[in-house]
Amino acid sequence: QITLKESGPTLMKPTQTLTLTCTCSGFSLSTSGVGVAWVRQPPGKALEWLALVYWDDLKRYSPSLNNRLTITKDTSKNQVVLTMTNMDPVDTATYYCAYKHVGELCLDYWGQGTLVTVSS
Amino acid sequence: EIVMTQSPATLSVSPGERATLSCRASQSVSRNLAWYQQKPGQAPRLLIYVASTRANGIPGRFSGSGSGTEFTLTISSLQSEDFAVYYCQQYNTWPPTFGQGTKVEIK
Repeated sequence: QITLKESGPTLMKPTQTLTLTCTCSGFSLSTSGVGVAWVRQPPGKALEWLALVYWDDLKRYSPSLNNRLTITKDTSKNQVVLTMTNMDPVDTATYYCAYKHVGELCLDYWGQGTLVTVSS
Repeated sequence: EIVMTQSPATLSVSPGERATLSCRASQSVSRNLAWYQQKPGQAPRLLIYVASTRANGIPGRFSGSGSGTEFTLTISSLQSEDFAVYYCQQYNTWPPTFGQGTKVEIK
């Protein structure tokens, strides 16, 4: 059974750096074809894909946020970490991690999400 | 990046009726299109991928069609649990992008 769970701060101040951890179970981050993504959703708004890391450590980022994002994986802990620098109130959102479908670039399994609020 | 436009924004449907949701891409995405369902306070759930393939465990009343720039999600007979927001997502070109969603509400 594949599950993912996000953890991290719920409240941040502008200019701070956000670090979110996705703890994965039911699969291994080192298995060929596996990918884990981060997606966010501002309150009442649509979804936005942020970043993706593959089993072979290939990483891809949203071009609009590329210079602020870093995604890494820790295979020994089966965790994926997203950092986002220079947080702003517009970054207030629910942040999800999700398991990429093996054959397609869509998301099969999602974590419950974690709401991050940015406010001074 | 590819812009995905969904219509209508809100669809009012009676239980048991058919619902048809549309998704248009700003350029061709071939058949690299997925649909998700999201209920309040929950994460999205994958319904359809490759435009028309149902994901594991998705009931047969959900069907997808289309290719290129025009796509449709059809719910043949709405059940109470189907009232939710539906998003399309293209994955033909990086970055993957989502539509703004269609809310299916009870008429």
